[in-house]
Amino acid sequence: AQKVTQAQTEISVVEKEDVTLDCVYETRDTTYYLFWYKQPPSGELVFLIRRNSFDEQNEISGRYSWNFQKSTSSFNFTITASQVVDSAVYFCALSGNQGAQKLVFGQGTRLTINP
Amino acid sequence: AAGVIQSPRHLIKEKRETATLKCYPIPRHDTVYWYQQGPGQDPQFLISFYEKMQSDKGSIPDRFSAQQFSDYHSELNMSSLELGDSALYFCASTLRTGNHEQYFGPGTRLTVT
Repeated sequence: AQKVTQAQTEISVVEKEDVTLDCVYETRDTTYYLFWYKQPPSGELVFLIRRNSFDEQNEISGRYSWNFQKSTSSFNFTITASQVVDSAVYFCALSGNQGAQKLVFGQGTRLTINP
Repeated sequence: AAGVIQSPRHLIKEKRETATLKCYPIPRHDTVYWYQQGPGQDPQFLISFYEKMQSDKGSIPDRFSAQQFSDYHSELNMSSLELGDSALYFCASTLRTGNHEQYFGPGTRLTVT
């Protein structure tokens, strides 16, 4: 069975601080896909990144960066110089490579950036 | 670019009533997923369709049914609604042979009173 764990339920930081959201996953699939989604108060799910299991390169996109470590089954997300608009719930998710490839989500981390 | 369309965006029903949620996937996408997100919870997979056939089933109550039509749109039918069915229902679509990214619709917020 696949499982995603986001141990941090809530994080609160002051604007301009860096913040890292943790994500640990479990899967028996040799090929799988990891995702991060942002859910602002308006409720929609905003896609942030997809990472294939065979591509362990870290990625940076503006103030966002992702650290994928297969050895520790982790896919952490860092926001540099946080802004109030970053306040949202962030979900890490996992899908396999077989069958319907449904997404399994972590419990989410509620991030609050205070001015 | 066209996105996933869900209708209605908001729906208020009373207990024991029925509801039908509609999803229009991105053109040429062949797979549709339904997810349910209760208050303060993560989205939970309900059911998926590939080429109009059910491809996987999650924790979907027997009171719910779904189908995908010939034009690839999908409908989630919910009967004998309960207070606990109040949630945000997302539809997502993808191309099975594509990049494995699921494109989510804006969601339908169902409130059962």
